[in-house]
Amino acid sequence: NAGVTQTPKFQVLKTGQSMTLQCAQDMNHEYMSWYRQDPGMGLRLIHYSVGAGITDQGEVPNGYNVSRSTTEDFPLRLLSAAPSQTSVYFCASSYSWGRGYTFGSGTRLTVV
Amino acid sequence: ELKVEQNPLFLSMQEGKNYTIYCNYSTTSDRLYWYRQDPGKSLESLFVLLSNGAVKQEGRLMASLDTKARLSTLHITAAVHDLSATYFCAVDPYGGSQGNLIFGKGTKLSVKP
Repeated sequence: NAGVTQTPKFQVLKTGQSMTLQCAQDMNHEYMSWYRQDPGMGLRLIHYSVGAGITDQGEVPNGYNVSRSTTEDFPLRLLSAAPSQTSVYFCASSYSWGRGYTFGSGTRLTVV
Repeated sequence: ELKVEQNPLFLSMQEGKNYTIYCNYSTTSDRLYWYRQDPGKSLESLFVLLSNGAVKQEGRLMASLDTKARLSTLHITAAVHDLSATYFCAVDPYGGSQGNLIFGKGTKLSVKP
């Protein structure tokens, strides 16, 4: 039981490049979500999903896309990276009705 | 706009002392979570509070929820250095139906000998 697995752990991108942050969970959780963490800002919700095929926007969705084709995976795509997207990204999952969220180890992204 | 406010944002304590971190939120919710984060690490779940009046304790930490006052507290008893970390509260404003949380900005706790 690996929990929530995020890859890569570190990434440096050039402005304008695209990439996908991977998130996978093996706990059969219905809910999955992506947050970004910036100094002094706490965690802010980017996108979330309540089940396969269902996604919705959070507080800061611009510049990011998601899809959820399976229960296990919830990738986050950066379409055209900008320096403002330099951040630490966390993926989280939970059983339905939010009975406790498990977070991945995070991806530290730098856009130069 | 839903707001979750923690105070203080920075807290320097001496070992052995008691203190309380406060988490106020601006919408009705009966679901609140507390997390701990060590530098460069992920978030570790401390407490899940799912009803008004809920109180949970683990070691030197105790969390409570007052949904009428829209307030949760995290009380630290006889602090030790190992409790040094950043603590976040997070509110579920949708009753668990949408799978997302709104976080406070965190309280950075430093416990000194």
